[in-house]
Amino acid sequence: DAGVIQSPRHEVTEMGQEVTLRCKPISGHDYLFWYRQTMMRGLELLIYFNNNVPIDDSGMPEDRFSAKMPNASFSTLKIQPSEPRDSAVYFCASSFAARETQYFGPGTRLLVL
Amino acid sequence: GQQVMQIPQYQHVQEGEDFTTYCNSSTTLSNIQWYKQRPGGHPVFLIQLVKSGEVKKQKRLTFQFGEAKKNSSLHITATQTTDVGTYFCAWGGSEKLVFGKGTKLTVNP
Repeated sequence: DAGVIQSPRHEVTEMGQEVTLRCKPISGHDYLFWYRQTMMRGLELLIYFNNNVPIDDSGMPEDRFSAKMPNASFSTLKIQPSEPRDSAVYFCASSFAARETQYFGPGTRLLVL
Repeated sequence: GQQVMQIPQYQHVQEGEDFTTYCNSSTTLSNIQWYKQRPGGHPVFLIQLVKSGEVKKQKRLTFQFGEAKKNSSLHITATQTTDVGTYFCAWGGSEKLVFGKGTKLTVNP
């Protein structure tokens, strides 16, 4: 298995632009998680899905952030419009079951200028 | 609500010295997991502890789960430069894992 796949690996954009991050979870995993990591705030859970359904989006910072999971093999995290404070590493992770081992993707390093 | 602290936040050691990081909870944990994140990398699962008083070893790494299931530790014997990174504990919430703040380990060769 290729593991969790994320794209792009790096993204540099200007303030106000739309950013879309993509994730392909491990096949057969029912849970998908989006995290944001910064030096100041550590690893934060933004949202997670179970069988493609968003379960808890309480970690999404504000309405500029949205996430979708149209099918079991694909999810997106969108920021519109982006702001410099959104600069962070965004990780996608998947797991077979709730509270079980999470497998993280390589992350997307986002820089908003 | 549940309070879990991971300490220390940072630890710098000389190569060959031992290292320990702790996770302490105000309430009983159903299980605890440990992850390692290398600089520039992503968190990677190391181990899961479920039973009270459980001790597991992986080469130079020793993981413990307290008798009351309120604390856990990761101990590295004779650190090597390959051990550098951030070590996170994570515990099971209602339907998700909650990650600690992590302990960042640096090793001076």
